[in-house]
Amino acid sequence: GNSVTQMEGPVTLSEEAFLTINCTYTATGYPSLFWYVQYPGEGLQLLLKATKADDKGSNKGFEATYRKETTSFHLEKGSVQVSDSAVYFCALSDAGGTSYGKLTFGQGTILTVHP
Amino acid sequence: EAEVAQSPRYKITEKSQAVAFWCDPISGHATLYWYRQILGQGPELLVQFQDESVVDDSQLPKDRFSAERLKGVDSTLKIQPAELGDSAMYLCASSFKPGANVLTFGAGSRLTVL
Repeated sequence: GNSVTQMEGPVTLSEEAFLTINCTYTATGYPSLFWYVQYPGEGLQLLLKATKADDKGSNKGFEATYRKETTSFHLEKGSVQVSDSAVYFCALSDAGGTSYGKLTFGQGTILTVHP
Repeated sequence: EAEVAQSPRYKITEKSQAVAFWCDPISGHATLYWYRQILGQGPELLVQFQDESVVDDSQLPKDRFSAERLKGVDSTLKIQPAELGDSAMYLCASSFKPGANVLTFGAGSRLTVL
């Protein structure tokens, strides 16, 4: 079945540091890939997505590239802010079947940014 | 901006009691999902509706959990009887159609079973 593996956390950084959160996946076919963010006490929000190989998703300074050859979708940001502190989830969407559109999530990575 | 509404936000109950969660998706969204998020883990799908029909409930513990979406709009997730291991965040999400690639999540209902 489909699965998503994220780097173990938590990740603690100083403001303006470079961020990388690793994500690899196992899937049949050609899934779409996503990063969702969850701020304290809130639901999940879509951060960015990519729907085919070599696509780069970007939003709010975050970016991730769909790498089919390495089955990866690593999240990066060049300069993090305190307001980026949250839990980040990598996810994939089934490419077909009866549960078309179902998301499979990684375990999440807690990011804390200190001033 | 349109939102997915969920209630209650927080629920504390004793084991063996019944509990229910309600979700109102974004207007016009035909697909509705219930996810369970245990602390420290990623969300896992419990049930997916297309309009009023269940299209995936393979991970729903049917001996104690039930879900309905009678008119294809809002939905209710019920647990009876609740067990300690049911303590989690219950997230509802909706999308315009299956495979629309963008799910909008509600704020969630946090359940604590004592």
